[in-house]
Amino acid sequence: GIQVEQSPPDLILQEGANSTLRCNFSDSVNNLQWFHQNPWGQLINLFYIPSGTKQNGRLSATTVATERYSLLYISSSQTTDSGVYFCAGRRGAGGTSYGKLTFGQGTILTVHP
Amino acid sequence: GAVVSQHPSRVICKSGTSVKIECRSLDFQATTMFWYRQFPKQSLMLMATSNEGSKATYEQGVEKDKFLINHASLTLSTLTVTSAHPEDSSFYICSAQLGGTQYFGPGTRLTVL
Repeated sequence: GIQVEQSPPDLILQEGANSTLRCNFSDSVNNLQWFHQNPWGQLINLFYIPSGTKQNGRLSATTVATERYSLLYISSSQTTDSGVYFCAGRRGAGGTSYGKLTFGQGTILTVHP
Repeated sequence: GAVVSQHPSRVICKSGTSVKIECRSLDFQATTMFWYRQFPKQSLMLMATSNEGSKATYEQGVEKDKFLINHASLTLSTLTVTSAHPEDSSFYICSAQLGGTQYFGPGTRLTVL
């Protein structure tokens, strides 16, 4: 299966700062998602982004599929952004998008007031 | 839309007992659901893929006789941890597939005494 590497493993920010999280894949994927796991364990979908760029409020993501990486940008961070950020990728077969999602190890983000 | 629920959210049981966890897609039908396990400060590890109307596909190293999965309808999958032992204590998370995106339940924290 594919290997997913996330960096940095830990990130500490002051409220208001910007940050970039990175996700590298060992092989091409046709399905890529970013999640935020809140302190209660709930995984919240941030982006489904197999390629291109998307923005949602203070968050945006860019995936360069040909170079097998994705970036998550957090601008003007807030304390509620704290938690673990995971990226996950999947290689579908035969044009379908089914198959198992492989998760990275996550980036633990702590935002201080 | 795309809400997945899990029940119970937390369970404490004695060693040797069996525990059933339910995963429901509330506002969509899911042919495929997934069960993950997450240990403290670690990433999500896929345990099995649950397909409606057929047998589940288990990942290598996951005992299918210990972790029984049933996907009897398009909105419900269940995971039964049989003869639970303290080492089975973990956070169990399900997800349901909608299109190319997986949506995750809030998780079930199992503690086996």
